[in-house]
Amino acid sequence: DAGITQSPRHKVTETGTPVTLRCHQTENHRYMYWYRQDPGHGLRLIHYSYGVKDTDKGEVSDGYSVSRSKTEDFLLTLESATSSQTSVYFCATGGHNQETQYFGPGTRLLVL
Amino acid sequence: KNEVEQSPQNLTAQEGEFITINCSYSVGISALHWLQQHPGGGIVSLFMLSSGKKKHGRLIATINIQEKHSSLHITASHPRDSAVYICAVRSISYNTDKLIFGTGTRLQVFP
Repeated sequence: DAGITQSPRHKVTETGTPVTLRCHQTENHRYMYWYRQDPGHGLRLIHYSYGVKDTDKGEVSDGYSVSRSKTEDFLLTLESATSSQTSVYFCATGGHNQETQYFGPGTRLLVL
Repeated sequence: KNEVEQSPQNLTAQEGEFITINCSYSVGISALHWLQQHPGGGIVSLFMLSSGKKKHGRLIATINIQEKHSSLHITASHPRDSAVYICAVRSISYNTDKLIFGTGTRLQVFP
């Protein structure tokens, strides 16, 4: 398995507060992704990165921003959390062309 | 309509049964992935295929590009196979490496 960790693993926060989730990888993979998983939906892409400082939006990017200042770290920020952002967030790496994607363990976020 | 549809949504089986999970998609693809998500939430990749068939242990994945359909088979099912199985496709209509995911098939295998 690729060495992918996410922190925190669980978080409870209040509406309107900023939240940052961290994804860390040790495999030197170029591509990194942030997904959210909600009941009744497949995994949905929030943002992805194809290199240091190179990021782009996914299908559900509103309310989220990302940063990648070094290869191993990909940060997801909720500038002002809303209840609709309560979800399980997965980070993934790899995926270039025909490669497999490797998933982190997930972060369970509850916005009250 | 979702671009990736899986069936059934839920599946129960007795230990030892042969299981088939289906995935149909409506876009042109360069590859299809099968993933497994265990009750603890972790997601692992089982297969990536672009044609034909792949086998790993008791798992077999097939794909028919012309029919835009893939199947995941589990032979001699075991309770430890209980998980959510997710189909995902890499669409050729996107100019970057993004996957489109199905909503998953929840499998429960009883002893």
